[in-house]
Amino acid sequence: GEDVEQSLFLSVREGDSSVINCTYTDSSSTYLYWYKQEPGAGLQLLTYIFSNMDMKQDQRLTVLLNKKDKHLSLRIADTQTGDSAIYFCARGKAAGNKLTFGGGTRVLVKP
Amino acid sequence: GAVVSQHPSRVICKSGTSVKIECRSLDFQATTMFWYRQFPKQSLMLMATSNEGSKATYEQGVEKDKFLINHASLTLSTLTVTSAHPEDSSFYICSAQNRDRGLHEQFFGPGTRLTVL
Repeated sequence: GEDVEQSLFLSVREGDSSVINCTYTDSSSTYLYWYKQEPGAGLQLLTYIFSNMDMKQDQRLTVLLNKKDKHLSLRIADTQTGDSAIYFCARGKAAGNKLTFGGGTRVLVKP
Repeated sequence: GAVVSQHPSRVICKSGTSVKIECRSLDFQATTMFWYRQFPKQSLMLMATSNEGSKATYEQGVEKDKFLINHASLTLSTLTVTSAHPEDSSFYICSAQNRDRGLHEQFFGPGTRLTVL
């Protein structure tokens, strides 16, 4: 299978929480990232987590990492219509190293 | 800040011509820049890693002579698609690492959409 996998699509109502999941196979991954891409634009780094952490919270964003299961999730609290975008998880083995991206999850926020 | 720009944002060219895409770090020095290619509704595929003052490292399956990369300064890397063909049509995105902010962060440009007729 693919190195980094994500579900393709998520639909959520405005004001609810969104949870985007990601799994990876390479246990040597040191850094795990979440990026947001709006239509026709580049990627915006949302947050990242080191592999020695279980959780990281940054305002409306919460990242959970389960190293044993190689599972990463991004929770967006109080989802807004402006959160509609494609979200990519990515992994890196070391600082300065190249990133491997998942296929992206398209999030649609309905009013 | 950590702003990365790309120029042009959109280009249409005829088959057989060459196209140059620029990637600039506007307010920081980038020791390393990465070039990605993204097909519609797909993920980013790393094409090459570009280090200032040295030859680029290409990923497996990426033709070096087809996609020429030059990283002449700490703020500029260029990707030239030589003898472009319709199958080269894609969204090309660069990213840059800011050595002052730690090597684990990559800052992405807005992308260049290339259409080859």
